[in-house]
Amino acid sequence: AIRMTQSPSSFSASTGDRVTITCRASQGISSYLAWYQQKPGKAPKLLIYAASTLQSGVPSRFSGSGSGTDFTLTISCLQSEDFATYYCQQYYSYPRLTFGGGTKVEIK
Amino acid sequence: QVQLVESGGGVVQPGRSLRLSCAASGFTFSSYGMHWVRQAPGKGLEWVAVISYDGSNKYYADSVKGRFTISRDNSKNTLYLQMNSLRAEDTAVYYCAKGLRTTKPGIASPWGQGTLVTVSS
Repeated sequence: AIRMTQSPSSFSASTGDRVTITCRASQGISSYLAWYQQKPGKAPKLLIYAASTLQSGVPSRFSGSGSGTDFTLTISCLQSEDFATYYCQQYYSYPRLTFGGGTKVEIK
Repeated sequence: QVQLVESGGGVVQPGRSLRLSCAASGFTFSSYGMHWVRQAPGKGLEWVAVISYDGSNKYYADSVKGRFTISRDNSKNTLYLQMNSLRAEDTAVYYCAKGLRTTKPGIASPWGQGTLVTVSS
C-alpha cells in the first residue's frame, strides 16, 4: 500500500503568514494527489486535486504543487478561517485510497 | 446543491452489527461512485470502501474486508454500509462522500456531516 507522510504534524502560525505543508508518498503517484481541509467537528472539504488544481470556490491564497513523491500545500496569506487540519490523499492506487496523517495549523 | 446525510450510527456491543445509510440529493446519484471514510476520535482519516456508480464494483480497506459490505439503491438515492462483527477499533465517525466527477472517482467531494459509531460493551 502507498503510504502518505505529512510534515509537520502541527505548527503555530500568525494571520498573514505564508505557510507550507509537505506531503510525501512512499512511491511515485504522478499528480494523483488531493488536499482537504477539516475544521473541528466538521467534515473534510476538498481544496485541491491533481496536485495543483483549485477546487471551485476555494480561495486563491491556497495553492498546491509537486509530482511523483513530493508535494506541497501553500497558503499565501493565512486568514483566521484557515486554522484547521489539512490532509493529503493519493488516488493513484484507486480504488484504494490513502490519506496522510494530517497537519494541524494552530494560532500562534 | 449536493447534500449527503448519514444516519444509523450509535452505540453497539463488540461482535454485533450496524447498518449506516447515506441519503443523497442534489445530483444524479446513479452516475457517481461513492465512498465511506472513517475517522477515529482524535485521529486521521481512513478510507473504508468505495462502490461504483452502478454497484457492480466494490472495494474495501483490508481492515474491514470480510466484515463490512457497501451497497447502494439508486432508486432511493441511498448508499449503505453494513458493518458486521464490529470491534472496538471500528469506533469512529463515518462519512459518506461522493466521487468528484464520473471520471475522477478517487477524489471525494463533497462529504456528509458524518455519523458516530461507538463499539463498546
